[in-house]
Amino acid sequence: NAGVMQNPRHLVRRRGQEARLRCSPMKGHSHVYWYRQLPEEGLKFMVYLQKENIIDESGMPKERFSAEFPKEGPSILRIQQVVRGDSAAYFCASSPRTGVANYGYTFGSGTRLTVV
Amino acid sequence: AQTVTQSQPEMSVQEAETVTLSCTYDTSENNYYLFWYKQPPSRQMILVIRQEAYKQQNATENRFSVNFQKAAKSFSLKISDSQLGDTAMYFCAFMNFQGAQKLVFGQGTRLTINP
Repeated sequence: NAGVMQNPRHLVRRRGQEARLRCSPMKGHSHVYWYRQLPEEGLKFMVYLQKENIIDESGMPKERFSAEFPKEGPSILRIQQVVRGDSAAYFCASSPRTGVANYGYTFGSGTRLTVV
Repeated sequence: AQTVTQSQPEMSVQEAETVTLSCTYDTSENNYYLFWYKQPPSRQMILVIRQEAYKQQNATENRFSVNFQKAAKSFSLKISDSQLGDTAMYFCAFMNFQGAQKLVFGQGTRLTINP
Protein backbone atom coordinates (compact mmCIF):
# COMPACT_ATOMS: atom_id res chain seq x y z
CA ASN A 1 0.00 0.00 0.00
CA ALA A 2 1.79 3.09 -1.25
CA GLY A 3 1.84 6.08 1.06
CA VAL A 4 0.73 9.59 0.22
CA MET A 5 2.35 10.50 -3.09
CA GLN A 6 3.22 14.07 -3.92
CA ASN A 7 4.69 15.30 -7.17
CA PRO A 8 6.77 16.90 -8.25
CA ARG A 9 9.26 16.70 -5.43
CA HIS A 10 10.87 19.94 -6.55
CA LEU A 11 9.31 22.66 -8.67
CA VAL A 12 10.94 25.82 -9.94
CA ARG A 13 8.80 28.61 -11.32
CA ARG A 14 9.51 32.13 -12.48
CA ARG A 15 7.60 34.97 -10.94
CA GLY A 16 4.18 35.27 -12.57
CA GLN A 17 3.93 31.63 -13.64
CA GLU A 18 1.48 29.09 -12.33
CA ALA A 19 2.40 26.23 -10.00
CA ARG A 20 0.41 22.99 -9.79
CA LEU A 21 1.14 20.60 -6.95
CA ARG A 22 -0.37 17.14 -6.95
CA CYS A 23 -1.26 14.83 -4.10
CA SER A 24 -2.48 11.24 -4.40
CA PRO A 25 -3.82 10.10 -1.03
CA MET A 26 -3.34 6.65 0.39
CA LYS A 27 -5.66 4.03 -1.01
CA GLY A 28 -9.01 4.22 0.73
CA HIS A 29 -8.41 7.73 2.07
CA SER A 30 -11.02 10.29 1.14
CA HIS A 31 -9.80 13.25 3.20
CA VAL A 32 -6.89 15.45 2.14
CA TYR A 33 -5.14 18.26 4.00
CA TRP A 34 -2.61 20.73 2.58
CA TYR A 35 0.02 22.43 4.73
CA ARG A 36 2.74 24.96 3.93
CA GLN A 37 6.14 25.12 5.58
CA LEU A 38 8.13 28.30 5.19
CA PRO A 39 11.90 28.05 5.79
CA GLU A 40 12.78 27.41 9.43
CA GLU A 41 9.14 27.31 10.49
CA GLY A 42 6.55 24.72 11.40
CA LEU A 43 3.83 23.56 9.05
CA LYS A 44 0.75 25.75 8.73
CA PHE A 45 -2.66 24.47 7.72
CA MET A 46 -4.02 25.68 4.40
CA VAL A 47 -7.06 23.67 3.35
CA TYR A 48 -9.03 20.50 4.10
CA LEU A 49 -10.90 18.71 1.33
CA GLN A 50 -13.04 15.67 0.90
CA LYS A 51 -13.90 14.25 -2.50
CA GLU A 52 -15.41 17.09 -4.56
CA ASN A 53 -15.81 19.33 -1.50
CA ILE A 54 -13.76 21.99 0.26
CA ILE A 55 -14.50 21.57 3.96
CA ASP A 56 -12.20 24.16 5.55
CA GLU A 57 -10.09 26.68 3.65
CA SER A 58 -9.42 29.03 6.53
CA GLY A 59 -5.66 28.86 6.01
CA MET A 60 -5.66 29.61 2.30
CA PRO A 61 -4.51 33.03 1.11
CA LYS A 62 -7.48 34.93 -0.31
CA GLU A 63 -5.98 35.40 -3.75
CA ARG A 64 -4.05 33.27 -6.24
CA PHE A 65 -4.40 30.00 -4.29
CA SER A 66 -6.98 27.32 -4.98
CA ALA A 67 -7.38 23.63 -4.24
CA GLU A 68 -9.50 20.81 -5.51
CA PHE A 69 -10.01 17.10 -4.89
CA PRO A 70 -12.02 15.69 -7.77
CA LYS A 71 -14.00 12.49 -7.75
CA GLU A 72 -11.28 10.87 -9.83
CA GLY A 73 -7.59 11.70 -9.69
CA PRO A 74 -5.29 13.48 -7.29
CA SER A 75 -5.86 16.56 -5.23
CA ILE A 76 -4.38 19.68 -6.82
CA LEU A 77 -3.05 22.79 -5.09
CA ARG A 78 -2.83 25.57 -7.63
CA ILE A 79 -0.92 28.81 -7.19
CA GLN A 80 -1.41 31.44 -9.85
CA GLN A 81 1.04 34.25 -10.62
CA VAL A 82 3.59 33.01 -8.13
CA VAL A 83 5.72 35.45 -6.16
CA ARG A 84 8.99 34.89 -4.27
CA GLY A 85 7.10 34.70 -0.98
CA ASP A 86 5.36 31.54 -2.21
CA SER A 87 8.67 29.67 -2.02
CA ALA A 88 8.11 26.96 0.56
CA ALA A 89 7.60 23.25 1.07
CA TYR A 90 3.99 22.19 0.54
CA PHE A 91 2.83 19.05 2.29
CA CYS A 92 -0.21 16.95 1.70
CA ALA A 93 -1.68 14.55 4.25
CA SER A 94 -4.54 12.11 3.93
CA SER A 95 -6.84 10.25 6.28
CA PRO A 96 -9.63 7.71 5.87
CA ARG A 97 -12.27 9.63 7.79
CA THR A 98 -12.83 12.10 10.57
CA GLY A 99 -13.92 11.11 14.04
CA VAL A 100 -12.51 10.01 17.35
CA ALA A 101 -10.40 7.19 15.96
CA ASN A 102 -8.90 9.24 13.16
CA TYR A 103 -5.82 11.09 14.36
CA GLY A 104 -2.22 11.30 13.34
CA TYR A 105 -2.85 11.18 9.62
CA THR A 106 -0.21 10.28 7.00
CA PHE A 107 1.96 12.92 5.35
CA GLY A 108 3.52 12.90 1.91
CA SER A 109 7.15 13.88 1.36
CA GLY A 110 6.24 17.37 0.23
CA THR A 111 6.86 19.53 -2.82
CA ARG A 112 9.52 22.20 -2.53
CA LEU A 113 8.49 25.19 -4.61
CA THR A 114 11.16 27.70 -5.52
CA VAL A 115 10.16 30.93 -7.21
CA VAL A 116 12.97 32.67 -9.08
CA ALA B 1 -7.43 29.92 18.38
CA GLN B 2 -5.00 27.31 19.58
CA THR B 3 -1.28 28.06 19.72
CA VAL B 4 1.72 25.80 20.24
CA THR B 5 5.06 27.08 21.51
CA GLN B 6 8.42 25.36 21.43
CA SER B 7 10.89 27.50 23.31
CA GLN B 8 14.07 25.65 22.34
CA PRO B 9 15.11 26.46 18.75
CA GLU B 10 18.11 24.13 18.94
CA MET B 11 19.44 21.38 21.19
CA SER B 12 22.50 19.20 21.03
CA VAL B 13 23.44 16.11 23.08
CA GLN B 14 25.90 13.25 22.93
CA GLU B 15 24.89 9.87 21.64
CA ALA B 16 23.29 7.63 24.30
CA GLU B 17 22.28 10.59 26.47
CA THR B 18 18.71 11.47 27.36
CA VAL B 19 17.19 14.68 26.03
CA THR B 20 13.90 16.43 26.73
CA LEU B 21 12.18 18.76 24.28
CA SER B 22 9.67 21.26 25.64
CA CYS B 23 6.27 22.20 24.30
CA THR B 24 3.46 24.31 25.70
CA TYR B 25 0.11 25.01 24.13
CA ASP B 26 -2.92 27.16 24.66
CA THR B 27 -6.51 26.02 24.21
CA SER B 28 -9.90 26.40 25.81
CA GLU B 29 -10.93 22.90 24.71
CA ASN B 30 -11.07 19.98 27.10
CA ASN B 31 -10.70 17.16 24.61
CA TYR B 32 -7.89 17.17 22.06
CA TYR B 33 -4.86 15.29 20.79
CA LEU B 34 -1.19 16.16 21.03
CA PHE B 35 1.59 14.89 18.79
CA TRP B 36 5.30 14.94 18.28
CA TYR B 37 6.53 14.74 14.69
CA LYS B 38 10.08 14.22 13.50
CA GLN B 39 11.34 15.81 10.29
CA PRO B 40 14.76 14.53 9.17
CA PRO B 41 16.68 16.18 6.32
CA SER B 42 14.66 14.09 3.88
CA ARG B 43 11.76 16.40 4.82
CA GLN B 44 9.38 13.48 5.52
CA MET B 45 7.05 14.15 8.45
CA ILE B 46 7.19 11.12 10.74
CA LEU B 47 4.81 10.64 13.64
CA VAL B 48 6.82 9.90 16.79
CA ILE B 49 4.18 9.73 19.49
CA ARG B 50 0.64 10.90 20.26
CA GLN B 51 -1.39 11.58 23.37
CA GLU B 52 -5.13 11.84 23.92
CA ALA B 53 -5.93 14.60 26.39
CA TYR B 54 -8.54 12.49 28.18
CA LYS B 55 -5.93 9.88 29.08
CA GLN B 56 -3.97 10.57 32.23
CA GLN B 57 -1.30 8.01 31.46
CA ASN B 58 1.66 9.37 29.55
CA ALA B 59 2.23 7.82 26.12
CA THR B 60 5.38 5.76 25.49
CA GLU B 61 6.84 4.39 22.27
CA ASN B 62 10.09 2.50 22.82
CA ARG B 63 12.76 5.15 23.57
CA PHE B 64 10.27 8.01 23.28
CA SER B 65 7.98 9.11 26.06
CA VAL B 66 6.01 12.21 26.93
CA ASN B 67 5.30 14.14 30.09
CA PHE B 68 1.76 15.43 29.63
CA GLN B 69 0.68 18.02 32.20
CA LYS B 70 -2.86 18.99 31.21
CA ALA B 71 -3.38 21.68 33.83
CA ALA B 72 -0.09 23.34 32.91
CA LYS B 73 -0.75 22.77 29.18
CA SER B 74 2.66 21.25 28.80
CA PHE B 75 3.67 18.33 26.58
CA SER B 76 7.38 17.52 26.64
CA LEU B 77 9.12 14.74 24.71
CA LYS B 78 11.84 12.64 26.29
CA ILE B 79 14.23 10.67 24.09
CA SER B 80 16.23 8.06 25.99
CA ASP B 81 19.47 6.46 24.81
CA SER B 82 19.64 8.93 21.92
CA GLN B 83 20.94 7.69 18.58
CA LEU B 84 22.54 9.46 15.62
CA GLY B 85 19.39 8.75 13.61
CA ASP B 86 17.40 10.89 16.02
CA THR B 87 19.02 13.99 14.54
CA ALA B 88 16.13 15.96 13.03
CA MET B 89 13.69 18.79 13.51
CA TYR B 90 11.01 17.93 16.05
CA PHE B 91 7.59 19.53 15.95
CA CYS B 92 4.95 19.53 18.63
CA ALA B 93 1.38 19.68 17.30
CA PHE B 94 -2.17 20.08 18.59
CA MET B 95 -5.41 18.75 17.11
CA ASN B 96 -8.96 19.43 18.20
CA PHE B 97 -11.11 16.46 19.08
CA GLN B 98 -13.96 17.69 16.89
CA GLY B 99 -14.27 19.66 13.71
CA ALA B 100 -11.87 19.63 10.79
CA GLN B 101 -9.11 18.01 12.86
CA LYS B 102 -6.34 20.11 11.43
CA LEU B 103 -2.95 20.21 13.10
CA VAL B 104 -1.49 23.33 14.72
CA PHE B 105 2.30 23.08 14.83
CA GLY B 106 4.95 24.71 16.97
CA GLN B 107 8.01 26.34 15.46
CA GLY B 108 10.17 23.28 15.91
CA THR B 109 13.34 22.28 17.76
CA ARG B 110 16.42 21.30 15.81
CA LEU B 111 17.97 18.34 17.65
CA THR B 112 21.51 17.21 16.91
CA ILE B 113 22.90 13.98 18.31
CA ASN B 114 26.70 14.05 18.38
CA PRO B 115 28.85 10.90 18.16
